[in-house]
Amino acid sequence: AQSVTQPDIHITVSEGASLELRCNYSYGATPYLFWYVQSPGQGLQLLLKYFSGDTLVQGIKGFEAEFKRSQSSFNLRKPSVHWSDAAEYFCAVGGGSTLGRLYFGRGTQLTVWP
Amino acid sequence: KAGVTQTPRYLIKTRGQQVTLSCSPISGHRSVSWYQQTPGQGLQFLFEYFSETQRNKGNFPGRFSGRQFSNSRSEMNVSTLELGDSALYLCASSPGQATNEKLFFGSGTQLSVL
Repeated sequence: AQSVTQPDIHITVSEGASLELRCNYSYGATPYLFWYVQSPGQGLQLLLKYFSGDTLVQGIKGFEAEFKRSQSSFNLRKPSVHWSDAAEYFCAVGGGSTLGRLYFGRGTQLTVWP
Repeated sequence: KAGVTQTPRYLIKTRGQQVTLSCSPISGHRSVSWYQQTPGQGLQFLFEYFSETQRNKGNFPGRFSGRQFSNSRSEMNVSTLELGDSALYLCASSPGQATNEKLFFGSGTQLSVL
């Protein structure tokens, strides 16, 4: 069965600190992996995606993520968090026959202390 | 290019009524998918349309239906509204040709059922 687990519901970091958001997936086919960010009352904005090739992918706003097939993980990282990064982050997986459909994790709410 | 446009932005309905939500995809995109987002269940896939045909369907009751027009615009209908239908309904579009495409999301329609 396809599923995505984000173990951390809420994370608080200080501005300037590093960040890592965890994501584990279960998928029967070759997975395509995504990280989206959502500000309150808004839609989802794509941060980065992994399809194949280099397992370390760079995204917008200074985010990066590393795909580890052996651990079924796709963790999101940022070396120095800014107050404007406070939002909810969603990991998602798609691929195979599921055209147009993504399976989302429950999200991680990020709070940034000044 | 204009982004994905969802109307209306907010809706308030009472139990038993029906509602229609609209989604205009990015120009040239032929796939439109719909998601329901609630605090309790997270992001759940409703259905996906491609070239006026439903290509994928999630696990929602028959009260939830959709359609897509020849210009790729899509509508979602919910009949006999229940309190539990209160949610943010997100529409996403993509070209629809490959499984590794990213989805572009609209800002959503916030539905409140009283």
